[in-house]
Formats: sequence, C-alpha cells, structure tokens
Amino acid sequence: NAGVTQTPKFRILKIGQSMTLQCAQDMNHNYMYWYRQDPGMGLKLIYYSVGAGITDKGEVPNGYNVSRSTTEDFPLRLELAAPSQTSVYFCASRNWAGSSYEQYFGPGTRLTVT
Amino acid sequence: EDKVVQSPLSLVVHEGDTVTLNCSYEVTNFRSLLWYKQEKKAPTFLFMLTSSGIEKKSGRLSSILDKKELFSILNITATQTGDSAVYLCAVLNAGKSTFGDGTTLTVKP
Repeated sequence: NAGVTQTPKFRILKIGQSMTLQCAQDMNHNYMYWYRQDPGMGLKLIYYSVGAGITDKGEVPNGYNVSRSTTEDFPLRLELAAPSQTSVYFCASRNWAGSSYEQYFGPGTRLTVT
Repeated sequence: EDKVVQSPLSLVVHEGDTVTLNCSYEVTNFRSLLWYKQEKKAPTFLFMLTSSGIEKKSGRLSSILDKKELFSILNITATQTGDSAVYLCAVLNAGKSTFGDGTTLTVKP
C-alpha cells in the first residue's frame, strides 16, 4: 500500500514551458486535492475532485488544469509556467465520509520557474 | 469566502513549557476541523474534531473545538525539541478544505 505518490520530486521549468505533476493513490479514496505551499504560508487549495469525472476549483486555480479520469489518478497541468508558480505542490486524498475526514498527503513536488 | 486564522504566527519556548495554539474560522457548511504537524515535508495528521467540547488527546497533545465561538485550540504540554514544527489548522466543508497559515513552534533545549 503506497498511499499517495507524486512525481517528480523536483523540477525546474523555464517561463512559458508546460508540465504535468502526477498524483496517484491506491486507497480507493473518492476525494483528491491539489495544494500549493509558498514559503512561510499554509496550503492553498488549487483544485479538488470528489470522484472520477468530477473536478472543481479551489482558492487559486488560475494557471492550472486538472482531470480525473480514474479514481486513482489526479494529474495537475501547468500551462505557460510563470515565476509566481514557484512553490511546493502537495497532492492529498481522503475517503468520502465515515468516521474520518483525515487527508493523506503525498511527499510533494518542489517546482521552480525561472 | 471561507477563512481560517491561526495565532500566534510563531512561538519560541523552552523544553518543558506548555503552549497553546489557536485557530479561528469562518466556514460555510462546516464538517470538521483538523490539526496537522509539518516538519519540512508533507503535513502529518494529529487530530480531527467534529463536535464541540469533546477533547481529543494523544500523549502530550490535546485539542478541543468550540463550534459556537468558531475556534479550536491545540495544547502541547512538557514540550520537547522534537515538537519544533509548523502546526496547521484546516477546516473542511462539504468538499473543500481551507488551511490557516500555520503557527511555527520552536522549542529550545
């Protein structure tokens, strides 16, 4: 049981390039989330999904896109990277209901845009 | 707009001290409040609180929620250097979650 996995761990992009951050979970969780964390700040929600085929915007969605074609995978796409997107990106998942709302986090992707 | 405010932003104490971290919130359709500890990597789960007045405890850490006054506190007694971290508070509504900016706790020997 790998939990939540993210790739890559680190990436440097040039301004204007595009990339996809991968996130996968093997816990059959319905909810999945993408956050970014800037230095000294909390986590800001970019996008989330309540199940395959359903996605919704969070607080800071501009410059990003997501898709959720399977329960397991929730990739985050950056189009036309900008220096303001330099951050650490965390993916998380949780079950839909029941006794716990705990979110399980991946190890993060550190992205630098120069 | 949902809002979570943590205080203080940072705190420096000595080993053995007791600390209280605060989290206040304004969220529609509240479901749960969660506390996390973050040490230069992904956050790790501490507590989930859904009901007012019921204290959750884990060793030297405890937390309680007040849904009338819309706040929660996290207490750490007999602090140790290993407690040094950023403590994050998050509130869940129907699907979304909103995090505060965290409290950075430094415990000196």
